[in-house]
Amino acid sequence: DTGVSQDPRHKITKRGQNVTFRCDPISEHNRLYWYRQTLGQGPEFLTYFQNEAQLEKSRLLSDRFSAERPKGSFSTLEIQRTEQGDSAMYLCASSWLAGGTDTQYFGPGTRLTVL
Amino acid sequence: AQSVAQPEDQVNVAEGNPLTVKCTYSVSGNPYLFWYVQYPNRGLQFLLKYITGDNLVKGSYGFEAEFNKSQTSFHLKKPSALVSDSALYFCAVRGVTGGFKTIFGAGTRLFVKA
Repeated sequence: DTGVSQDPRHKITKRGQNVTFRCDPISEHNRLYWYRQTLGQGPEFLTYFQNEAQLEKSRLLSDRFSAERPKGSFSTLEIQRTEQGDSAMYLCASSWLAGGTDTQYFGPGTRLTVL
Repeated sequence: AQSVAQPEDQVNVAEGNPLTVKCTYSVSGNPYLFWYVQYPNRGLQFLLKYITGDNLVKGSYGFEAEFNKSQTSFHLKKPSALVSDSALYFCAVRGVTGGFKTIFGAGTRLFVKA
């Protein structure tokens, strides 16, 4: 399978714990995006990378959230001191910039439940 | 600020009938527009996009969308609905200028009955 993969698919944690999610993009893609999706809503943009550079971050991304993309390949999203409001589906997408724009291809998501 | 509105939470259509899922947008300058579909327990799948040129864009699974600049709309259409088209559909917009932040609508659930 050469699509976007995310790990884990499900994560249950207690409030106050730290969690880390991983995203492996399609191998030739140079852009990587993170989104958060809650029930009944569309994906909300969190951040994106071009290669290893983090170029934009949403104001939704509080200081408890951090994302990295070392070497421009896989990416990790860490949430520190989780809160119940962090419960959501976290989506990763990757793309290749061509012709002035890109088409994002999404992974299956990581569903986070904070108890 | 960029925004997307999908005015219908749910659209119901009989199999074989044409379907339309509505989307309007707001963006500074010219837009890039996208439609995605989400099936239960699966990730979002790309259907089609508008960048420039012909206002009628054809995409996957027989779907098409019409860009209307004056009405700032990008409605998704299909001439003949299938039961298997039942899913959650998202419209998304990004400005040509101002970075690569993409804004998604809240989604429209399409229900096609046999």
